Amino acid sequence: QVQLVESGGDVVQPGGSLRLSCSVSGFTFSSFSMHWVRQAPGRGLEWVAFISSDGTYKYFADSVKGRLSISRDNSNDTLYLHMDTLRPQDTAVYFCARDRKYYFDSWGLGTLVTVSS
Amino acid sequence: EIVLTQSPATLSLSPGERATLSCRASQSVRNYLAWYQQRPGQAPRLLIYDAYNRAPGIPARFSGSGSGADFTLTINSLEPEDFAVYYCQQRATWPPLTFGGGTKVEIK
Repeated sequence: QVQLVESGGDVVQPGGSLRLSCSVSGFTFSSFSMHWVRQAPGRGLEWVAFISSDGTYKYFADSVKGRLSISRDNSNDTLYLHMDTLRPQDTAVYFCARDRKYYFDSWGLGTLVTVSS
Repeated sequence: EIVLTQSPATLSLSPGERATLSCRASQSVRNYLAWYQQRPGQAPRLLIYDAYNRAPGIPARFSGSGSGADFTLTINSLEPEDFAVYYCQQRATWPPLTFGGGTKVEIK
């Protein structure tokens, strides 16, 4: 069955960097666009970033533009989120999600990023 | 950016009752709207896409309606596992893809 497993979440100081990974199985990763969505503690969902199936197209929320980037390794079925210049307001659970016509049809369980000194 | 406003923020109902959740967009999203369920400590789950299409494996008691700027998620005869938070999401105009603030369906 479809599985997405995020990893890499950690406690990091403001201004720090982090790389999140999302390892997938159960479907042909290279055929699907992917997203990152985040959820601050006790808050709602916020879309963060999109990458097309071949990595050509990438889009970001304004709140992360220039600080976060997205990439993928289709040979290893892995999605990445590269996070730089982290701020306390980036503290959240980060979910990777599979794209279905720009909806999210499968999700991982998420990985927690805490930005705090 | 399209803003989605969900109401009510909290809905208190008993098992077996019908839940009616609203999602209003700041401008027309045609029928490009989805609904998700999120149980505590879990990832969201796609319930409805393109306003009224149930995602695979979603029970028939979940139904979506609406178009343009006003949408409704109806849950007929609430089961214990349906008590959760529900989010709407639009894909009509993006980036960004946007979510509503959520409606919590709690046990009365």
